[in-house]
Amino acid sequence: GDSVTQMEGPVTLSEEAFLTINCTYTATGYPSLFWYVQYPGEGLQLLLKATKADDKGSNKGFEATYRKETTSFHLEKGSVQVSDSAVYFCALSSTPELGGGADGLTFGKGTHLIIQP
Amino acid sequence: DSGVTQTPKHLITATGQRVTLRCSPRSGDLSVYWYQQSLDQGLQFLIQYYNGEERAKGNILERFSAQQFPDLHSELNLSSLELGDSALYFCASSASWGGVSYNEQFFGPGTRLTVL
Repeated sequence: GDSVTQMEGPVTLSEEAFLTINCTYTATGYPSLFWYVQYPGEGLQLLLKATKADDKGSNKGFEATYRKETTSFHLEKGSVQVSDSAVYFCALSSTPELGGGADGLTFGKGTHLIIQP
Repeated sequence: DSGVTQTPKHLITATGQRVTLRCSPRSGDLSVYWYQQSLDQGLQFLIQYYNGEERAKGNILERFSAQQFPDLHSELNLSSLELGDSALYFCASSASWGGVSYNEQFFGPGTRLTVL
């Protein structure tokens, strides 16, 4: 079945450092890939997405590129802030962007990111 | 704010009891999804409804059931509760077009269930 693997952390960085959170996946076909962020005490917010190979999703300074050859979707940010402290989830959908019943998302276990001032 | 609402925010109950969690999707969304987030299992997809009909099932226990009503709100019913059912339960919704759903999902704030 489908699966997502990501580093669990916690990952601790200083403010303005470069961030990479690795995410690799196993899926049949051509999944859509997502990064969600969960701030303390809150629900999941969609951070960015990519629906086909070589697509780059970006939002709020975060970027991730859909690499089919390495089955990866690593999250990056050039300069992190204290406010970026949260748990980040990589997820996939094995259904097309628009099609079928959509089905549930498969999530990684989440990476806890701590940014120190 | 995603536009998805869930009630209650917190729920504390005893083993063997039954509870109902409620979700209202974003305006216009026909698809509703339920997820369970626990420390040991992570985030797991439970079940999906589309316009009142069950569309997909994930790792949902037989003690759990869900339904979606004509006004599109959904309820997740958890019965014969066990300590291990303590978790955060999320509802999500997605838009659709022409009878099929987009796979981009928007999540509510969750209901934290504590079983004592």
